[in-house]
Amino acid sequence: GQSLEQPSEVTAVEGAIVQINCTYQTSGFYGLSWYQQHDGGAPTFLSYNALDGLEETGRFSSFLSRSDSYGYLLLQELQMKDSASYFCAVTATESNYQLIWGAGTKLIIKP
Amino acid sequence: GAGVSQSPSNKVTEKGKDVELRCDPISGHTALYWYRQSLGQGLEFLIYFQGNSAPDKSGLPSDRFSAERTGGSVSTLTIQRTQQEDSAVYLCASSSRPRVDTEAFFGQGTRLTVV
Repeated sequence: GQSLEQPSEVTAVEGAIVQINCTYQTSGFYGLSWYQQHDGGAPTFLSYNALDGLEETGRFSSFLSRSDSYGYLLLQELQMKDSASYFCAVTATESNYQLIWGAGTKLIIKP
Repeated sequence: GAGVSQSPSNKVTEKGKDVELRCDPISGHTALYWYRQSLGQGLEFLIYFQGNSAPDKSGLPSDRFSAERTGGSVSTLTIQRTQQEDSAVYLCASSSRPRVDTEAFFGQGTRLTVV
């Protein structure tokens, strides 16, 4: 079977750095994606990792370790607008490249 | 259109009635997904269409749920004899293939309320 685990909620302070972890279990792993969803909005794509290492896009970075079946999303210089839910999702050959989603992490940012 | 379009944006229906939800994916996208999201919850996979392949229906919660995709484009999700537990936001997403690293684009969803 396939499964993903991520914390249900993370709290951080404006201007700080926060890391949201995601561990997965799947066969035929292909890549790990991250999506952001604001309350009442649709999920929007943030990043995709297929190879080990860190991918940086502005204030957001995403990391993958295939050997550890683990990834994380790193958010720097947190802004209040970053308050949202963050989902990791795995693409796997086992699931015909369908996105398999984690339950999401609610990021709460305090001033 | 430029993005994934879903209609209606909101739907209130009486228990026991049938509803149809529509998704118009981005032109040229061969993969189409339907998800359900209850308030404060993650995405629950319902069904996945990929090109002309048989759809993956493994996420449909009961036989009251069905979906079709005509001509590899527009998709309709039908819920028969709606129940109150069907109340949720139904999200549609599309992505291009065979590039598996391509992001999925989501519509704004249909908020279904069964009263």
